[in-house]
Amino acid sequence: AQTVTQSQPEMSVQEAETVTLSCTYDTSESDYYLFWYKQPPSRQMILVIRQEAYKQQNATENRFSVNFQKAAKSFSLKISDSQLGDAAMYFCAYLLSGNTPLVFGKGTRLSVIA
Amino acid sequence: DVKVTQSSRYLVKRTGEKVFLECVQDMDHENMFWYRQDPGLGLRLIYFSYDVKMKEKGDIPEGYSVSREKKERFSLILESASTNQTSMYLCASSPLGGGYTEAFFGQGTRLTVV
Repeated sequence: AQTVTQSQPEMSVQEAETVTLSCTYDTSESDYYLFWYKQPPSRQMILVIRQEAYKQQNATENRFSVNFQKAAKSFSLKISDSQLGDAAMYFCAYLLSGNTPLVFGKGTRLSVIA
Repeated sequence: DVKVTQSSRYLVKRTGEKVFLECVQDMDHENMFWYRQDPGLGLRLIYFSYDVKMKEKGDIPEGYSVSREKKERFSLILESASTNQTSMYLCASSPLGGGYTEAFFGQGTRLTVV
Protein backbone atom coordinates (compact mmCIF):
# COMPACT_ATOMS: atom_id res chain seq x y z
CA ALA A 1 0.00 0.00 0.00
CA GLN A 2 1.11 3.52 -0.70
CA THR A 3 2.21 5.65 2.23
CA VAL A 4 2.96 9.34 2.61
CA THR A 5 5.30 10.68 5.28
CA GLN A 6 5.56 14.24 6.50
CA SER A 7 8.40 14.32 8.98
CA GLN A 8 7.81 17.86 10.31
CA PRO A 9 4.75 18.07 12.57
CA GLU A 10 5.28 21.80 13.04
CA MET A 11 7.20 24.52 11.25
CA SER A 12 7.44 28.26 11.63
CA VAL A 13 8.59 31.02 9.32
CA GLN A 14 9.04 34.76 9.53
CA GLU A 15 6.78 36.83 7.36
CA ALA A 16 8.32 37.46 3.92
CA GLU A 17 10.80 34.59 4.34
CA THR A 18 10.89 31.23 2.57
CA VAL A 19 10.00 27.88 4.09
CA THR A 20 10.14 24.33 2.76
CA LEU A 21 7.82 21.55 3.90
CA SER A 22 9.00 17.99 3.37
CA CYS A 23 7.09 15.01 2.04
CA THR A 24 8.19 11.54 1.04
CA TYR A 25 6.08 8.72 -0.27
CA ASP A 26 6.34 5.08 -1.00
CA THR A 27 4.94 3.50 -4.15
CA SER A 28 5.85 0.89 -6.71
CA GLU A 29 3.84 2.65 -9.41
CA SER A 30 5.34 4.85 -12.12
CA ASP A 31 2.31 6.95 -12.98
CA TYR A 32 0.60 8.87 -10.20
CA TYR A 33 -0.23 12.35 -8.94
CA LEU A 34 0.95 14.31 -5.92
CA PHE A 35 -0.81 17.17 -4.20
CA TRP A 36 -0.33 19.70 -1.45
CA TYR A 37 -3.51 20.75 0.34
CA LYS A 38 -3.84 23.62 2.80
CA GLN A 39 -6.29 23.56 5.69
CA PRO A 40 -6.69 26.94 7.42
CA PRO A 41 -8.62 27.36 10.69
CA SER A 42 -11.85 27.47 8.68
CA ARG A 43 -11.21 23.72 8.08
CA GLN A 44 -11.80 24.04 4.34
CA MET A 45 -9.28 21.95 2.45
CA ILE A 46 -7.80 23.98 -0.39
CA LEU A 47 -5.62 22.64 -3.17
CA VAL A 48 -2.29 24.46 -3.25
CA ILE A 49 -0.42 22.69 -6.02
CA ARG A 50 -0.35 19.41 -7.92
CA GLN A 51 2.31 17.41 -9.78
CA GLU A 52 1.98 14.64 -12.33
CA ALA A 53 4.66 12.03 -11.87
CA TYR A 54 5.41 11.69 -15.58
CA LYS A 55 6.23 15.39 -15.81
CA GLN A 56 9.81 16.14 -14.83
CA GLN A 57 9.25 19.87 -14.58
CA ASN A 58 8.45 21.05 -11.08
CA ALA A 59 5.02 22.62 -10.67
CA THR A 60 4.73 26.28 -9.68
CA GLU A 61 1.73 28.32 -8.55
CA ASN A 62 2.65 31.92 -7.76
CA ARG A 63 4.57 31.85 -4.43
CA PHE A 64 4.25 28.07 -4.15
CA SER A 65 6.56 25.63 -5.87
CA VAL A 66 7.54 22.02 -5.47
CA ASN A 67 10.76 20.08 -5.67
CA PHE A 68 9.75 16.73 -7.12
CA GLN A 69 12.44 14.06 -7.00
CA LYS A 70 10.83 10.94 -8.47
CA ALA A 71 13.74 8.59 -7.88
CA ALA A 72 14.00 9.67 -4.27
CA LYS A 73 10.19 9.68 -3.90
CA SER A 74 10.32 13.15 -2.47
CA PHE A 75 7.84 15.99 -2.98
CA SER A 76 8.65 19.11 -0.96
CA LEU A 77 6.68 22.36 -0.97
CA LYS A 78 8.44 25.72 -0.99
CA ILE A 79 6.54 28.82 0.06
CA SER A 80 8.25 32.06 -0.89
CA ASP A 81 7.54 35.49 0.59
CA SER A 82 5.45 33.92 3.36
CA GLN A 83 2.32 35.76 4.39
CA LEU A 84 0.23 35.64 7.54
CA GLY A 85 -2.53 33.99 5.53
CA ASP A 86 -0.26 31.05 4.79
CA ALA A 87 -0.58 29.87 8.39
CA ALA A 88 -2.41 26.54 8.21
CA MET A 89 -2.09 22.78 8.25
CA TYR A 90 -0.48 21.50 5.09
CA PHE A 91 -1.12 17.99 3.86
CA CYS A 92 0.82 16.12 1.24
CA ALA A 93 -1.27 13.60 -0.69
CA TYR A 94 -0.72 10.83 -3.23
CA LEU A 95 -3.18 9.67 -5.85
CA LEU A 96 -2.77 6.68 -8.10
CA SER A 97 -4.39 7.20 -11.49
CA GLY A 98 -7.93 5.98 -11.73
CA ASN A 99 -10.67 5.58 -9.19
CA THR A 100 -8.52 5.39 -6.12
CA PRO A 101 -8.71 7.62 -3.07
CA LEU A 102 -6.16 10.19 -1.97
CA VAL A 103 -3.62 8.95 0.57
CA PHE A 104 -2.58 11.68 2.98
CA GLY A 105 0.39 12.36 5.19
CA LYS A 106 -0.11 13.36 8.81
CA GLY A 107 0.27 17.03 8.08
CA THR A 108 2.58 19.91 8.96
CA ARG A 109 1.29 22.84 10.96
CA LEU A 110 2.85 26.05 9.63
CA SER A 111 2.98 29.18 11.75
CA VAL A 112 3.88 32.56 10.24
CA ILE A 113 5.48 35.06 12.56
CA ALA A 114 4.89 38.75 11.93
CA ASP B 1 -17.82 26.50 -8.17
CA VAL B 2 -17.77 22.95 -6.99
CA LYS B 3 -19.57 22.60 -3.76
CA VAL B 4 -19.44 19.77 -1.28
CA THR B 5 -21.82 20.37 1.59
CA GLN B 6 -21.84 18.55 4.87
CA SER B 7 -25.06 18.78 6.81
CA SER B 8 -23.56 19.87 10.14
CA ARG B 9 -20.39 21.67 11.19
CA TYR B 10 -20.76 20.61 14.82
CA LEU B 11 -22.60 17.66 16.28
CA VAL B 12 -22.90 16.31 19.82
CA LYS B 13 -24.29 12.82 20.29
CA ARG B 14 -24.62 10.37 23.14
CA THR B 15 -22.87 7.03 23.38
CA GLY B 16 -24.92 4.31 21.73
CA GLU B 17 -26.85 6.65 19.45
CA LYS B 18 -27.10 5.98 15.73
CA VAL B 19 -25.54 8.94 13.94
CA PHE B 20 -25.93 10.03 10.34
CA LEU B 21 -23.46 12.37 8.67
CA GLU B 22 -24.71 13.62 5.34
CA CYS B 23 -22.71 14.87 2.38
CA VAL B 24 -24.01 16.32 -0.87
CA GLN B 25 -22.04 17.41 -3.92
CA ASP B 26 -23.37 19.42 -6.84
CA MET B 27 -20.84 18.64 -9.58
CA ASP B 28 -22.10 15.26 -10.73
CA HIS B 29 -18.95 13.57 -9.44
CA GLU B 30 -18.84 9.80 -9.53
CA ASN B 31 -16.41 9.38 -6.63
CA MET B 32 -17.18 10.26 -3.04
CA PHE B 33 -15.11 9.71 0.09
CA TRP B 34 -15.35 9.90 3.87
CA TYR B 35 -12.21 10.68 5.85
CA ARG B 36 -11.61 11.01 9.54
CA GLN B 37 -9.13 13.65 10.74
CA ASP B 38 -7.41 13.42 14.12
CA PRO B 39 -4.46 15.47 15.41
CA GLY B 40 -1.18 13.80 14.63
CA LEU B 41 -2.85 11.16 12.47
CA GLY B 42 -3.76 13.18 9.40
CA LEU B 43 -6.69 12.11 7.25
CA ARG B 44 -7.62 8.46 7.28
CA LEU B 45 -10.03 6.93 4.79
CA ILE B 46 -13.16 5.35 6.22
CA TYR B 47 -15.16 4.43 3.10
CA PHE B 48 -15.43 5.48 -0.51
CA SER B 49 -17.84 5.01 -3.37
CA TYR B 50 -17.36 5.02 -7.13
CA ASP B 51 -20.98 4.88 -8.08
CA VAL B 52 -24.49 4.73 -6.74
CA LYS B 53 -24.95 1.76 -4.40
CA MET B 54 -21.25 0.95 -4.65
CA LYS B 55 -18.97 1.16 -1.63
CA GLU B 56 -15.46 0.17 -0.73
CA LYS B 57 -13.85 -0.06 2.70
CA GLY B 58 -11.00 2.24 3.47
CA ASP B 59 -8.37 1.94 6.15
CA ILE B 60 -10.59 2.31 9.21
CA PRO B 61 -14.14 1.08 8.44
CA GLU B 62 -14.83 -0.56 11.79
CA GLY B 63 -17.83 0.95 13.53
CA TYR B 64 -19.00 2.75 10.39
CA SER B 65 -21.21 2.07 7.41
CA VAL B 66 -22.19 4.15 4.39
CA SER B 67 -25.07 4.64 2.04
CA ARG B 68 -25.16 6.01 -1.48
CA GLU B 69 -28.65 5.83 -2.88
CA LYS B 70 -28.23 8.87 -5.14
CA LYS B 71 -25.19 10.02 -7.04
CA GLU B 72 -24.95 13.35 -5.26
CA ARG B 73 -25.36 12.10 -1.70
CA PHE B 74 -23.03 9.97 0.42
CA SER B 75 -23.98 9.26 4.02
CA LEU B 76 -21.73 8.05 6.80
CA ILE B 77 -23.47 6.08 9.54
CA LEU B 78 -22.19 5.38 13.02
CA GLU B 79 -24.32 2.41 14.04
CA SER B 80 -23.69 2.85 17.77
CA ALA B 81 -21.62 5.90 18.53
CA SER B 82 -18.72 5.53 20.93
CA THR B 83 -16.46 8.10 22.54
CA ASN B 84 -13.51 6.98 20.41
CA GLN B 85 -15.42 8.17 17.37
CA THR B 86 -15.16 11.76 18.56
CA SER B 87 -13.35 13.35 15.65
CA MET B 88 -13.50 15.59 12.60
CA TYR B 89 -15.14 13.99 9.59
CA LEU B 90 -14.43 15.23 6.09
CA CYS B 91 -16.36 14.35 2.95
CA ALA B 92 -14.84 14.71 -0.51
CA SER B 93 -15.79 14.13 -4.13
CA SER B 94 -13.93 13.81 -7.40
CA PRO B 95 -14.81 13.06 -11.01
CA LEU B 96 -14.48 9.68 -12.67
CA GLY B 97 -10.86 8.80 -13.29
CA GLY B 98 -9.61 11.38 -10.79
CA GLY B 99 -6.05 12.02 -11.70
CA TYR B 100 -5.32 15.56 -12.65
CA THR B 101 -8.59 16.85 -11.30
CA GLU B 102 -8.29 17.12 -7.57
CA ALA B 103 -10.77 16.04 -4.94
CA PHE B 104 -13.04 18.71 -3.46
CA PHE B 105 -13.82 18.75 0.22
CA GLY B 106 -16.66 19.77 2.46
CA GLN B 107 -16.04 21.94 5.51
CA GLY B 108 -16.03 19.05 7.90
CA THR B 109 -18.24 17.90 10.74
CA ARG B 110 -16.77 17.99 14.20
CA LEU B 111 -18.50 15.18 16.06
CA THR B 112 -18.37 14.86 19.82
CA VAL B 113 -19.69 11.67 21.41
CA VAL B 114 -20.41 12.02 25.12
